[in-house]
Amino acid sequence: SAVISQKPSRDICQRGTSLTIQCQVDSQVTMMFWYRQQPGQSLTLIATANQGSEATYESGFVIDKFPISRPNLTFSTLTVSNMSPEDSSIYLCSVLRTEKMANEQFFGPGTRLTVL
Amino acid sequence: LAKTTQPISMDSYEGQEVNITCSHNNIATNDYITWYQQFPSQGPRFIIQGYKTKVTNEVASLFIPADRKSSTLSLPRVSLSDTAVYYCLVVRGGNTPLVFGKGTRLSVIA
Repeated sequence: SAVISQKPSRDICQRGTSLTIQCQVDSQVTMMFWYRQQPGQSLTLIATANQGSEATYESGFVIDKFPISRPNLTFSTLTVSNMSPEDSSIYLCSVLRTEKMANEQFFGPGTRLTVL
Repeated sequence: LAKTTQPISMDSYEGQEVNITCSHNNIATNDYITWYQQFPSQGPRFIIQGYKTKVTNEVASLFIPADRKSSTLSLPRVSLSDTAVYYCLVVRGGNTPLVFGKGTRLSVIA
């Protein structure tokens, strides 16, 4: 398994500001992902955090709004920029391990963001 | 990846067996069926995975018919702590991230 921590666990932010969320894994992993979960909804993949290169974003998500860093194989950050109330969500970091028949993903506890 | 369809919600009394069925008509030969569980205020966690027939672990059983177009997650004798959202996912090998559908919200009642 993988132990994943996220900071902060929650935050309340003002419109127009930015928040950087940190994700720390207890061991090196190749693949890290960032998801968003809006209230009462399922998880939506934001991007794949690539170590040593630019993140790969899913449709509807752009680097200017959600810049991602991946300086090494155990750490990544997601920044939510120029926030609006529509960005209020839980943001989850996830890592992938190939330990079973097909890849298994482990998730962090999430960061609950409220934008006023 | 194949789209999945599962009930939006289910209710059950404590001690009952719960079966959640998921359809994935367009599943490919290389795909596996995986189920995740998400408790409130937590990230999803892996429950069980299968390719065909039946798989059982300490948490659940997974039944997959020969055509693999559907699967059924079986939770034996549920308790209040099994109240969660259960996601059925079709997973392909390699480094492809999970794509979540809407999930089934299971409420266990005393």
